[in-house]
This record gives sequence, structure tokens and C-alpha cells, in this order.
Amino acid sequence: GNSVTQMEGPVTLSEEAFLTINCTYTATGYPSLFWYVQYPGEGLQLLLKATKADDKGSNKGFEATYRKETTSFHLEKGSVQVSDSAVYFCATIHTGGFKTIFGAGTRLFVKA
Amino acid sequence: EAQVTQNPRYLITVTGKKLTVTCSQNMNHEYMSWYRQDPGLGLRQIYYSMNVEVTDKGDVPEGYKVSRKEKRNFPLILESPSPNQTSLYFCASRLLAGGPPYEQYFGPGTRLTVT
Repeated sequence: GNSVTQMEGPVTLSEEAFLTINCTYTATGYPSLFWYVQYPGEGLQLLLKATKADDKGSNKGFEATYRKETTSFHLEKGSVQVSDSAVYFCATIHTGGFKTIFGAGTRLFVKA
Repeated sequence: EAQVTQNPRYLITVTGKKLTVTCSQNMNHEYMSWYRQDPGLGLRQIYYSMNVEVTDKGDVPEGYKVSRKEKRNFPLILESPSPNQTSLYFCASRLLAGGPPYEQYFGPGTRLTVT
């Protein structure tokens, strides 16, 4: 079945540092890929998405590119801020669009 | 405001005492789903529903029941809660029609403690 593997956290960075959170997936067919963000005490919010190979999702300075050849969807941001401190989840939709598989989540701490 | 609401937000209960967590959405979404979030495991899908009276199991359905009698509501029922169901629960919804990318909208979460 489908699965998602994310790099383990926590990740601690200083403000303005470069961020990469790795995500790889296994899936049949052509899944849609997502990054969700969870701020402390809140539910998940969609951060960005991609639906086909080589698509680049972007939002709030974050980017991720759907790489089918490496089955990856790594999240990047050029300059993180303290307000980016949160838990980030990579996710894929099962073929057919009914079951969602989430990674374990990566907690990011950004220090001022 | 488009949203998914859950109640209660926090619940402490005892083993075996039946409880229901409600979920409601005002976006006319066909698809609704329940997840539990546990440290190191991410979110795991419990049940989902494609429309009224149509539900199916996710990856961790044991010990849970759901019903979908109205399009906007999707309650999660724990008939006999046990301590291993202590977790953070999220309800989510999305449109089914129109194909990918299947973006989901999440509720604020319900933190359940079973003693």
C-alpha cells in the first residue's frame, strides 16, 4: 500500500536559515502530494500541493517539487522565521482519492 | 465562514463509558474523515465517508463507529473507550467531485483522555 516517510525531527534552525524537510513516498498510480502545517494547539492547514510529476507547489515562501523519478516531495524555504515553528506533515492521496496517508510529521523550531 | 467544527475540544473519560465526538462542516462537502494523531505516528485514518449513508474503514477502525445520516455531520462514536484510544482526534472534509488535488479542511481537534 501507499506510505510516506519523512525525516525525523525535531529540526532546530536559527532565523533566516535555509530549511529542507525530506519526504519520500510509495504509491501506485499518480498520487497527489501535500504538505500540511500544524501550529501549536491548532488543526492542520494545507501549506502546498502538487498533482503531477514536476509540478511545483508554493505558498508563504515554502516550495516543494513533485519528483516522480525519486518519489520525493521535499519541502524547502530559503529563510525561515520564528513564526514558521510548527509541525509539518507530508501526505499522499491513495489512488482513487479516498484514503490519505500522512507521514509522521516533522517538528520545526526556529530560534530568534 | 467555511469551517469544520468539532465538539468537545477536550474530554476526559473513564474506560467503558460510551462517548461521541461530533463533527460538522458547512461547505457542502461529500467526503468526511476521522483521524487520530499520536506522537511519532503522524495522522492515521480511522473512518471516512463518501456521502450520506456511505462509510468505509481507514487504517485503524477498531474500537470506533461512525454514522453519516446528514451530509454536514459525521460523528465518531466510541462504544467502550479504552486507554489506548487516548489521542488527539481530527475531523476533515473535502469535495469529491472535480478530481485532484483533493485538498482537505481540518477541524481544530479533540483531545481525548481515557483513564
